[in-house]
Amino acid sequence: ETGVTQTPRHLVMGMTNKKSLKCEQHLGHNAMYWYKQSAKKPLELMFVYNFKEQTENNSVPSRFSPECPNSSHLFLHLHTLQPEDSALYLCASSQDLGGGLDTQYFGPGTRLTVL
Amino acid sequence: QKEVEQNSGPLSVPEGAIASLNCTYSDRGSQSFFWYRQYSGKSPELIMFIYSNGDKEDGRFTAQLNKASQYVSLLIRDSQPSDSATYLCAVEGVVAGGTSYGKLTFGQGTILTVHP
Repeated sequence: ETGVTQTPRHLVMGMTNKKSLKCEQHLGHNAMYWYKQSAKKPLELMFVYNFKEQTENNSVPSRFSPECPNSSHLFLHLHTLQPEDSALYLCASSQDLGGGLDTQYFGPGTRLTVL
Repeated sequence: QKEVEQNSGPLSVPEGAIASLNCTYSDRGSQSFFWYRQYSGKSPELIMFIYSNGDKEDGRFTAQLNKASQYVSLLIRDSQPSDSATYLCAVEGVVAGGTSYGKLTFGQGTILTVHP
């Protein structure tokens, strides 16, 4: 247990569905991240929130919409996804001190399958 | 050009041997370097971080950093079958102004298999 939880752990959805992924961190961190991990590809950073403000949007399609209501919770809203969006979606958090060494702790991930 | 490059393997070593995992990176301004271990079907877990040139030891693990050559490595001594996993190298860069907002760039990982 890293102190970062994600729900659901598995999700199967059709291309016309709307769903949301939830992440919660219990570590008192101020930065949260969404990553996508596809087979045989490096982890891809999608979004970064620092003190609830989005500081990075790594050219992610608009069918992925993040929401960070407070520094402990992070959501990823999904709509009209494509089969190639099937992947493991990982949430991470860190205590961003602004000087490097921002050790990130990962949640267990949500395995998403888009039919 | 890949920003963080790792040999995808698989790297196979016998139990008790030293496993050596290597990583090179392209951003000369990178400050911090992390090694994560990821078991199949699980999320990455932090093993070590290093930010100064030289060696850093933690139990059976030693991280080595050479900023001039832009490489970082992880040595696992007395390898065990339980060490079989994918090892991810991650590099934290610097943005304008010399600060970082925690952006990690990951390599694709090296699959390590330790056989009895």
